Amino acid sequence: EVQVLESGGGLVQPGGSLRLSCAASGFTFNNYAMSWVRRAPGKGLEWVSGISSSATSTYSADSVKGRFTISRDNSKNTLYLQMNSLRAEDTAIYYCAKVGSGWNFDYWGQGTLVTVSS
Amino acid sequence: EIVMTQSPASLSVSPGERATLSCRASQSVSGTLAWYQQKPGQAPRLLIYGASTRATGIPARFSGSGSGTEFTLTISSLQSEDFAVYYCQQYNNWPLTFGGGTKVEIK
Repeated sequence: EVQVLESGGGLVQPGGSLRLSCAASGFTFNNYAMSWVRRAPGKGLEWVSGISSSATSTYSADSVKGRFTISRDNSKNTLYLQMNSLRAEDTAIYYCAKVGSGWNFDYWGQGTLVTVSS
Repeated sequence: EIVMTQSPASLSVSPGERATLSCRASQSVSGTLAWYQQKPGQAPRLLIYGASTRATGIPARFSGSGSGTEFTLTISSLQSEDFAVYYCQQYNNWPLTFGGGTKVEIK
């Protein structure tokens, strides 16, 4: 059974940093691209960042470019999102998602809540 | 950036009735369009990819159609478990973008 499980969310002050992790199981992790998607309170889904299976390519939304870094450790079946210079507008549930056939998302975690507030 | 516009924003439907949800792209995305369902407190679930291919385990009452800039998700006979928010997403161009969602409510 495919499972992805996020961790690392919490309360952080504006300008602070946080690292999210996503532990994957039930599939051959190093064969698949992965991504982060978020949902802010009262808003819709927003794609954040994506990474190819071998980590040779990464992609990010303009809203997080230069502040967030996606990475992966295929030896640990784990995806990461390093978030720096956090802003109030980054407050959201962050979902880890496995990329399916094309850059759509066929399996999702339950999400981890990030709250940026003083 | 490709802007995805969903309509209507909300839809009231009686159980057993048909629901038709629309998604429009600001420029052609060919057939690289996915649909997701999200219920409160749950993760999104992939319903349709490639504009019309049902994902694994998705009931046949869900169908997708369209190409280019106009897409439709049809739920042929709404069940109680189908009341949720539905999102479309294009994956033809970077950045990947989602529509704002359509909330399907019980009438």
